[in-house]
Amino acid sequence: DAGVIQSPRHEVTEMGQEVTLRCKPISGHDYLFWYRQTMMRGLELLIYFNNNVPIDDSGMPEDRFSAKMPNASFSTLKIQPSEPRDSAVYFCASSLPSPRWDEQFFGPGTRLTVL
Amino acid sequence: GDSVTQMEGPVTLSEEAFLTINCTYTATGYPSLFWYVQYPGEGLQLLLKATKADDKGSNKGFEATYRKETTSFHLEKGSVQVSDSAVYFCALIPVTGGGNKLTFGTGTQLKVEL
Repeated sequence: DAGVIQSPRHEVTEMGQEVTLRCKPISGHDYLFWYRQTMMRGLELLIYFNNNVPIDDSGMPEDRFSAKMPNASFSTLKIQPSEPRDSAVYFCASSLPSPRWDEQFFGPGTRLTVL
Repeated sequence: GDSVTQMEGPVTLSEEAFLTINCTYTATGYPSLFWYVQYPGEGLQLLLKATKADDKGSNKGFEATYRKETTSFHLEKGSVQVSDSAVYFCALIPVTGGGNKLTFGTGTQLKVEL
């Protein structure tokens, strides 16, 4: 079975542009997580979904960030407008329903550079 | 709030050396504890976990024991290989009220040399 799929793997954009990151979770997983990794702040949970419904978005840094999950096999994280401080690696992860929800499977990440 | 503290890296070892990466946590009750590993250019992978006090998680020669009395979950391996070079993250999920949100430590980079 394919793992978590993320696209693009690398994104370079200019400040002020809109950026959309995409994620396909593992089939049968009903939890989906978006993380951001930087040297300064480490790994931060931005938002997570259960059965396509956002459960906790307290980690979303500001209104410029939004995430959607229109169906069980697709999610997007959008930044508009982007800023240089958004440069980071963004990971998507998914996990099985309870009681096996505690193991998260991570995608390879999208490295975002905002110039 | 809940937190995880890991030893600073990088840790540099020779092949076949003994490895210990320290991890302590702050949380209410008995959280579940995890070690994740991140190889260069990849996402994180679960290495091992323990869900209650005195449990020992083990995988691929790595072990960690859930110590409630010292709030610790130190990672150990008896003989490291070059292929173990990676960043290791200690993490927890709180026992109640946190859903399944992982709280990660800052990560410890391990470099194993021949």
